[in-house]
Amino acid sequence: EAGVAQSPRYKIIEKRQSVAFWCNPISGHATLYWYQQILGQGPKLLIQFQNNGVVDDSQLPKDRFSAERLKGVDSTLKIQPAKLEDSAVYLCASSPGQGWNTIYFGEGSWLTVV
Amino acid sequence: KNQVEQSPQSLIILEGKNCTLQCNYTVSPFSNLRWYKQDTGRGPVSLTIMTFSENTKSNGRYTATLDADTKQSSLHITASQLSDSASYICVVSKGGGNKLTFGTGTQLKVEL
Repeated sequence: EAGVAQSPRYKIIEKRQSVAFWCNPISGHATLYWYQQILGQGPKLLIQFQNNGVVDDSQLPKDRFSAERLKGVDSTLKIQPAKLEDSAVYLCASSPGQGWNTIYFGEGSWLTVV
Repeated sequence: KNQVEQSPQSLIILEGKNCTLQCNYTVSPFSNLRWYKQDTGRGPVSLTIMTFSENTKSNGRYTATLDADTKQSSLHITASQLSDSASYICVVSKGGGNKLTFGTGTQLKVEL
């Protein structure tokens, strides 16, 4: 079974530039998550989708971050403009549904803002 | 405030030895508790998931315990291997959904 796919794996940008990360969840998984993990910390939920609807985006900095999940499958997370404090690993994860299903994480997209 | 605290922050043990990692939480209402292993540069991988009615759950050399009364969990690793070197993250789910609160992890290093 293919896992959660993310790209790019690594990205270095200058502050005020924009960046986009792509995620392809496990086939058939209705729930998709984007997490931000700063070095030395646990992941922090940015946004949760159920199919193509947003369930929770309470911690998404909406002035600079946006995410979409068109057609309820792939998802894109965009940051514009980036700040130095956005340097982190952006983890995409998916699960079969809500409730206490196991959540499967991708390998992450490492962002460095200089 | 819903929190998950882990101890120790880091740990170094010799290969073949056992170790126990601790997790205390204040998340309420409690739904389930998960332990994840995160290798450096990789995404977290699920080890165990337990509901309030489960006291212990094993996955190979990993055994997790849960005391829902004291809101404590532990992860015991038996006969450690070099490949066990990773960050172990305790995650507590609130309510009936997948709203997760992550601990900051215990960084384990297994040496020869």
